[in-house]
Amino acid sequence: TQLLEQSPQFLSIQEGENLTVYCNSSSVFSSLQWYRQEPGEGPVLLVTVVTGGEVKKLKRLTFQFGDARKDSSLHITAAQPGDTGLYLCAGGYGGSNYKLTFGKGTLLTVNP
Amino acid sequence: NAGVTQTPKFQVLKTGQSMTLQCAQDMNHNSMYWYRQDPGMGLRLIYYSASEGTTDKGEVPNGYNVSRLNKREFSLRLESAAPSQTSVYFCASRLGGVRGEQYFGPGTRLTVT
Repeated sequence: TQLLEQSPQFLSIQEGENLTVYCNSSSVFSSLQWYRQEPGEGPVLLVTVVTGGEVKKLKRLTFQFGDARKDSSLHITAAQPGDTGLYLCAGGYGGSNYKLTFGKGTLLTVNP
Repeated sequence: NAGVTQTPKFQVLKTGQSMTLQCAQDMNHNSMYWYRQDPGMGLRLIYYSASEGTTDKGEVPNGYNVSRLNKREFSLRLESAAPSQTSVYFCASRLGGVRGEQYFGPGTRLTVT
């Protein structure tokens, strides 16, 4: 089983602050995905990165895949209350039997 | 398009009872997955089906069985429910490819007493 360590588990910040969430593993992944989940709903994909060193930006969110494809980070600039939610990283592996292994999630609360 | 649908949304079982969770997708996706989500544990893969006609165990398969009924439907069965199976269950589907997004259903909240 591929393991993915996500940190921090909880994060409570004020509106306007910056934050970074980390996912780390000793395993190499073919892709790294970030999902966001609202209470009572299923996760929704934010981004997929597949190339070592790849950086993707989605408005105020910046995602980076590590050079060795073992780790990733999510950086949010000037957080807003609407960013509140559970953020999940997921590493893809398995070739034709493609599967995702998920981190345990980061519960972000942005206070106005 | 409904995407991924799951039934029921909520269920309460007594220990030892059986039930089947239903999942269907209308996106013509090849792969389907069942996960459980517990507080502090993230999403853990129970079973998956890479394509119609195949099923394989994931990380936590004990106590569960699955059936890939056709390309659209993938069901999860609990033969003899235990309190440790109290969880939120998510079904997901995926078209394919390394960038392929997994689309999740709304979940089934199961309580076993």
